[in-house]
Amino acid sequence: AQSVTQLDSQVPVFEEAPVELRCNYSSSVSVYLFWYVQYPNQGLQLLLKYLSGSTLVKGINGFEAEFNKSQTSFHLRKPSVHISDTAEYFCAVSESNFGNEKLTFGTGTRLTIIP
Amino acid sequence: EAQVTQNPRYLITVTGKKLTVTCSQNMNHEYMSWYRQDPGLGLRQIYYSMNVEVTDKGDVPEGYKVSRKEKRNFPLILESPSPNQTSLYFCASSLSGQGYQPQHFGDGTRLSIL
Repeated sequence: AQSVTQLDSQVPVFEEAPVELRCNYSSSVSVYLFWYVQYPNQGLQLLLKYLSGSTLVKGINGFEAEFNKSQTSFHLRKPSVHISDTAEYFCAVSESNFGNEKLTFGTGTRLTIIP
Repeated sequence: EAQVTQNPRYLITVTGKKLTVTCSQNMNHEYMSWYRQDPGLGLRQIYYSMNVEVTDKGDVPEGYKVSRKEKRNFPLILESPSPNQTSLYFCASSLSGQGYQPQHFGDGTRLSIL
């Protein structure tokens, strides 16, 4: 069974500083990887996804993530954060087999931007 | 505008009083799913539906029911709610049952069961 680990439950970062949110996954088959963002009082919004091909994927709002198969990681990065990036970020994995399109989520990382 | 709409957004009710949370999508998606979000646990799948009249249990189905009579609607039913079902609920949909399709989420329903 697949699983996702987000080790950092909270990450405070000064405005305009870089940030990395860590995500590790476990699966016995090939996977698709996603990062979702949840702004206060809103649903989840897709930030970026890795399906295949280039291991560096770019998403919305200047975020990017790198898939590392050997380390089973999919860390999210942004070179310079803004106040508007304050949100909760969820890493999710889906196994590449037809059927239940089950997303397994990590427990989330709350990113707080300090002015 | 493509969207997943949940109602109500907030509900406070009492133990044992049946309630239904509605979910509707306007994207002609085949796949729909319900999740609950609890602090420190992330999102966990309750039920999902691959198409009309096809539903199945997710990871935490106890105490919940669903139905899929129409493609656009996927209501979540709590026949006899209990306090441990106090949570934030999300409905999601995607085009098909294949894992590479990202899911579209509603804005959530916050349920408080007293």
